[in-house]
Amino acid sequence: AQSVTQPDIHITVSEGASLELRCNYSYGATPYLFWYVQSPGQGLQLLLKYFSGDTLVQGIKGFEAEFKRSQSSFNLRKPSVHWSDAAEYFCAVGSMEYGNKLVFGAGTILRVKS
Amino acid sequence: EAQVTQNPRYLITVTGKKLTVTCSQNMNHEYMSWYRQDPGLGLRQIYYSMNVEVTDKGDVPEGYKVSRKEKRNFPLILESPSPNQTSLYFCASSPLLGELSYEQYFGPGTRLTVT
Repeated sequence: AQSVTQPDIHITVSEGASLELRCNYSYGATPYLFWYVQSPGQGLQLLLKYFSGDTLVQGIKGFEAEFKRSQSSFNLRKPSVHWSDAAEYFCAVGSMEYGNKLVFGAGTILRVKS
Repeated sequence: EAQVTQNPRYLITVTGKKLTVTCSQNMNHEYMSWYRQDPGLGLRQIYYSMNVEVTDKGDVPEGYKVSRKEKRNFPLILESPSPNQTSLYFCASSPLLGELSYEQYFGPGTRLTVT
């Protein structure tokens, strides 16, 4: 069955430091990949997506992610974190093999210390 | 403004008292879905609908019902809520258009507490 793993439940980084959030998936077919962010008390906002083409994708708020098929990974990065980036981040995967369903990882809570 | 709306945003209820959470989208999307979010589990799909009068179970459908009588609305019904249905619920929609089918738009969420 399809699955998405976000190995880090919590991550704490200093403001201005770089960030990498990990996401690994298990899918039989070509996946469609997403990162969403959920600020405290808010809904889900799409940060970026990968359908095909260039494996390095740019998103909003200065985030980027790289699709590595050989590693089944889609890690999210940001070169310099701001205090406002503190939130929960979800990786999600879809595939035509499984209809329109998105499967979500358990989430990574990002704390930013000043 | 393109959006998915949910009501109510917060609800506290008692075990066994039927409730409905409404979801509406103004983007003319065919696909709509309900998720529940629980700590450490991410979002899990409850039910989904590919179009009017077409609904199907997701991964965690037990204790829930849905209906799709109009394209824009997709209410979630809890006939007899139990405490294990205390959760944060999200409605989402997307067009049925190739890859864009997977780019789902989410509502603001409904926090439900069942005592």
